[in-house]
Amino acid sequence: QKEVEQNSGPLSVPEGAIASLNCTYSDRVSQSFFWYRQYSGKSPELIMSIYSNGDKEDGRFTAQLNKASQYVSLLIRDSQPSDSATYLCAVNTGYQKVTFGTGTKLQVIP
Amino acid sequence: DAGVIQSPRHEVTEMGQEVTLRCKPISGHDYLFWYRQTMMRGLELLIYFNNNVPIDDSGMPEDRFSAKMPNASFSTLKIQPSEPRDSAVYFCASSNTGQGLNSPLHFGNGTRLTVT
Repeated sequence: QKEVEQNSGPLSVPEGAIASLNCTYSDRVSQSFFWYRQYSGKSPELIMSIYSNGDKEDGRFTAQLNKASQYVSLLIRDSQPSDSATYLCAVNTGYQKVTFGTGTKLQVIP
Repeated sequence: DAGVIQSPRHEVTEMGQEVTLRCKPISGHDYLFWYRQTMMRGLELLIYFNNNVPIDDSGMPEDRFSAKMPNASFSTLKIQPSEPRDSAVYFCASSNTGQGLNSPLHFGNGTRLTVT
């Protein structure tokens, strides 16, 4: 079982819709969770971090964490074509060791 | 802040040659990471350092790979001899635990390595 799992996609949503991206992780002692966005040919950039169970909102983005289910999600409201990218889920399993999922490719259709 | 600086941006070499990738972390950051990204395997952690000391090198694929961090502002990843299967984008990242133990990573622009 991979440490961090994501559906590779592509996930296609129409402009203005809500995009829902999901991630599961295997290590129960994981402490912190991150969502990165990566445009083609570019480096990953941080969108959200979440450490506690529940929801965390930042603008059009909401991260959700459920440690009991070992599940992290990212919701993007009012999706824009500029949101089209690969979204990487990352998990800090301790001692700053950060493991990434393989990413979900999101396509927002105008 | 200049961000994490990697060089070169692109490297094309022939199988069997030595390749050295370079990284300058953000000033004041105490952790430095080397990742490799391929379409098939995504972002893989190769090795990371804390205050210039290697903490975990379990991701280094084999003895052909080595990494050093001689000081807080410089790190190298060396592949000797290189093989075509080493072709990938290599990212360096740094973080600052002074902002908290769960501080995020800041990535460089990466080095695209092609081994022919």
